[in-house]
Amino acid sequence: DTEVTQTPKHLVMGMTNKKSLKCEQHMGHRAMYWYKQKAKKPPELMFVYSYEKLSINESVPSRFSPECPNSSLLNLHLHALQPEDSALYLCASSHPLSSNEQFFGPGTRLTVL
Amino acid sequence: GQQVMQIPQYQHVQEGEDFTTYCNSSTTLSNIQWYKQRPGGHPVFLIQLVKSGEVKKQKRLTFQFGEAKKNSSLHITATQTTDVGTYFCAGQYNFNKFYFGSGTKLNVKP
Repeated sequence: DTEVTQTPKHLVMGMTNKKSLKCEQHMGHRAMYWYKQKAKKPPELMFVYSYEKLSINESVPSRFSPECPNSSLLNLHLHALQPEDSALYLCASSHPLSSNEQFFGPGTRLTVL
Repeated sequence: GQQVMQIPQYQHVQEGEDFTTYCNSSTTLSNIQWYKQRPGGHPVFLIQLVKSGEVKKQKRLTFQFGEAKKNSSLHITATQTTDVGTYFCAGQYNFNKFYFGSGTKLNVKP
């Protein structure tokens, strides 16, 4: 299994809603990432978990809250988002002790109304 | 902060022509990765370069890493319509921290 899965594929939420994005991989990777990608822009690193511990937070607003319940799962909890947070949210994983190749999931297309 | 610059932003070529995209960092990179993202898709890993002056080939694709580990290039020989997409470099400065270049969108006319 060389796949990273993400749910949901699409999400529309209001500014007062609370929602969560989910990411799963079964490749035994111990580094997992959240990226945000706006249209026609490159992916922007948000968070990195290494061995289930948050190792990098790129000064992301607190309305985004990551969680890594175990080595296969990564969540991104969303609360009180703004319309400018609308974007494609990509999850990726890698094995930091081998090739470091990042495997990306298909992403969640988020629209904040 | 760290930044990876990438040029050109767009490239339109006739099928069979060559294509090159360039990445440049103001500071020394630990390594650099290259990704391809098709329209509507997600980034797909192409290759990682680690050593100073490294050159790697994958069929029609040639990847280079500069001697100072601050720049890199991707060259495609004799483009095909299947090469269409956006090519990103991603520079690694610290453990697990990657900064993507702005990308080069390649369009190939048949």
